[in-house]
Amino acid sequence: QKEVEQNSGPLSVPEGAIASLNCTYSDRVSQSFFWYRQYSGKSPELIMSIYSNGDKEDGRFTAQLNKASQYVSLLIRDSQPSDSATYLCALKNSGTYKYIFGTGTRLKVLA
Amino acid sequence: GAVVSQHPSWVICKSGTSVKIECRSLDFQATTMFWYRQFPKQSLMLMATSNEGSKATYEQGVEKDKFLINHASLTLSTLTVTSAHPEDSSFYICSARAQLSSYEQYFGPGTRLTVT
Repeated sequence: QKEVEQNSGPLSVPEGAIASLNCTYSDRVSQSFFWYRQYSGKSPELIMSIYSNGDKEDGRFTAQLNKASQYVSLLIRDSQPSDSATYLCALKNSGTYKYIFGTGTRLKVLA
Repeated sequence: GAVVSQHPSWVICKSGTSVKIECRSLDFQATTMFWYRQFPKQSLMLMATSNEGSKATYEQGVEKDKFLINHASLTLSTLTVTSAHPEDSSFYICSARAQLSSYEQYFGPGTRLTVT
């Protein structure tokens, strides 16, 4: 059973701090990984995709991928209250275009 | 770019009736569209994958005769919930994969269905 695991949280961080969200996966063949943000009552919004080992930065967001250890993380620098949401980790199921989603981590940024 | 719309954004219907939800890619052609369902405080559950011009592929446990999916063009897919019942009340979200992109999926805003 291919799985994507995330701590459900909530993860609480003070405004301005770095929020670190982690995700582990079981399928060693997976090559494509995605982070989505979902506000309550809304649909997911793509933050970033990452395909290669290492870091990928986009503004305040940095995705980190370590295929050997089978984890992918998302760092949010200078966290803002508006970043409070559920963050979903997803991987593309090998051989298809389908995603496998984690259950999400709820982030609370405290003003 | 990569904007996906859904219509309606919310709908209330009576038990036994059918409801059609439209998903459109507005600024790109979508080779593949996906339909998800999300219950409160749960993660997304993939219902089916649809490719333009071919039959949808349903996930295990999803009734294809109840959830009819049509992907008639590269910019439009529809989900029809037939003979809706209260247990079908949920948040239905579509996503689309752009034709020439990598594997990123772009989500529509979702449709909240309430069956009374």
